[in-house]
Amino acid sequence: AQKITQTQPGMFVQEKEAVTLDCTYDTSDQSYGLFWYKQPSSGEMIFLIYQGSYDEQNATEGRYSLNFQKARKSANLVISASQLGDSAMYFCAMRTSGSARQLTFGSGTQLTVLP
Amino acid sequence: EPEVTQTPSHQVTQMGQEVILRCVPISNHLYFYWYRQILGQKVEFLVSFYNNEISEKSEIFDDQFSVERPDGSNFTLKIRSTKLEDSAMYFCASREDPSYNEQFFGPGTRLTVL
Repeated sequence: AQKITQTQPGMFVQEKEAVTLDCTYDTSDQSYGLFWYKQPSSGEMIFLIYQGSYDEQNATEGRYSLNFQKARKSANLVISASQLGDSAMYFCAMRTSGSARQLTFGSGTQLTVLP
Repeated sequence: EPEVTQTPSHQVTQMGQEVILRCVPISNHLYFYWYRQILGQKVEFLVSFYNNEISEKSEIFDDQFSVERPDGSNFTLKIRSTKLEDSAMYFCASREDPSYNEQFFGPGTRLTVL
């Protein structure tokens, strides 16, 4: 069975600073993928970034980067130059290795960006 | 930009009633999903659908639930005899093809069971 753990229920960061949101995972699969989604207060799920287990480079998408440490089974999200609009719930998720590739989500981290 | 749409945005129903939640996935996508998020909790997988049949389902997806793709565009989740604990946000998602990983989520339907 797969498991995603996010140990930070809430985080605060000053505007324009960088912040790291932690995510650890557990799986027996050799091939897997890790995602980060943002959920603002309006409720929709917004895809941010994806990292495949065989990708050698850490994924980056604009201000988002994923610090992937395979041996430690961690996939932390780094947001650089935080903006007020980054205040939201952030979920780490893992896809299964089967053809369906459904996602298993962590419990989320509520990020608040302070002016 | 193509997007997943869901209707209604909010559904209120009485306990014991049947509800149908509707989704229109992105047109060239092949894999469809329903997820559930009880208020304040994490998102949970319910079911995946491919080639007109269920490909995976979780233990949450019992006989109370069913899914259907009645035509070439809609993907529905039916909940029979709703219970109070079915109150949640229900997300539909779709994915393009076997080699593509990203799942695109719809805006969700908030179901309230009274």
